[in-house]
Parts: sequence; C-alpha cells; structure tokens
Amino acid sequence: DTGVSQDPRHKITKRGQNVTFRCDPISEHNRLYWYRQTLGQGPEFLTYFQNEAQLEKSRLLSDRFSAERPKGSFSTLEIQRTEQGDSAMYLCASSLSSDTQYFGPGTRLTVL
Amino acid sequence: AQSVTQLGSHVSVSEGALVLLRCNYSSSVPPYLFWYVQYPNQGLQLLLKYTSAATLVKGINGFEAEFKKSETSFHLTKPSAHMSDAAEYFCAVNPGDGGSNYKLTFGKGTLLTVNP
Repeated sequence: DTGVSQDPRHKITKRGQNVTFRCDPISEHNRLYWYRQTLGQGPEFLTYFQNEAQLEKSRLLSDRFSAERPKGSFSTLEIQRTEQGDSAMYLCASSLSSDTQYFGPGTRLTVL
Repeated sequence: AQSVTQLGSHVSVSEGALVLLRCNYSSSVPPYLFWYVQYPNQGLQLLLKYTSAATLVKGINGFEAEFKKSETSFHLTKPSAHMSDAAEYFCAVNPGDGGSNYKLTFGKGTLLTVNP
C-alpha cells in the first residue's frame, strides 16, 4: 500500500492558462474523490468516480473544470482559463466502496 | 443533507493538558463521522471514525471521540497534549449506509496550538 499520490505538489500559473493535475489512488480502491480546500476552510467536495464513471459533480465545479478517470485507475483534474479564485489546495482521496477515504498530499495551485 | 460545525477555530493548550476539540453535526440519515488531522502543506490523515458501532471510538496518537446522538456531537479528546499534536483538525460527516454517495462534508477546522 503506497498511499494516494498526487502530481504536481505545487503549480504556479498565470491567469488564463490551463492546468492539469493527476491523482493515483490506492490500488484496488474503486472510488476516487476530488476536493478543494481554500485557506482557512475545510475541504469542499468537487466530484467523485466509481470505477471510471463520474457519478456526481458539485455546483462548485464550473464548466472550466473537467475530471476524468480512464479505465478506473488514475484520475486527472483539468482547469481551463484559470482565474485567481481557483488558487487553492486540490485534494484527491480514494476508498474501497463506502469505507474510509484516504487522502493524498494535495496539489497547491497558485494563479497569478 | 449534512453539515458540520466546529466550535473554536483556534484552541491553545499547554503541553500535558487535556485537549478538547468540539464538533457538532447535522444529518438527515444516520451518519458516519470522522476526525482528520492536517499538518502544514500536507494532506489529511485519518485519526478515527464512527460507523454506528461503539459510541466511544479510539484512534491513533492517543485521541478518542464519543458519539452522542442526543447532543448531535462528536467531540475529540486527548488526555495529555504533546508538542507533536500541533496541527489543524477537521471533523467530517457522510451519509453512511443511508446514502449512495459517500462524499465527506467537512467543518472549517480547528487549529490546535500546544505551548511548552
């Protein structure tokens, strides 16, 4: 069990650029979640996958955001035309069905 | 729908003193409840969880929490604080067996400071 990994750990970009983050869940975990955490707040749910199917998206996930989980393994979260308000920590978690969610170290995005 | 309220955004204790971090929840179905800890610039680590078994739950690093349905509370305690406990603590809830989506709803967090 190598844990949930996320790449990159830090990303600095200019407003208007596109960014993509990757999450590798714990192997055999069928559920994968994305959360966003802004300074001084708890994580907020963005979206989740069961295997390769994206089953729910938060209203926080505007049309500039897209997430995929091809073949039910790793997942990517893409943000197009980044805005300063997108600056946050993006956290990925995985679980085996309804069991405990295990979190990765997060990707900290800074939009200048 | 679920929600979590953590009373006190910042708690300061002396090393060796009791730690008490408060969490109240609201849930329309029997909840599962969790406490996570976050160290600076890191992800969240699970401390303990309640999933409708024993109401007193023991976790890692000497922490425990008690589920009180009548008070809709799930407060986190540790008898004796250690310097290494300094971190941010998050209480979270999900619908447990009552829902089809196990997304977590988090409180805003409590920053624990431990003074020597």
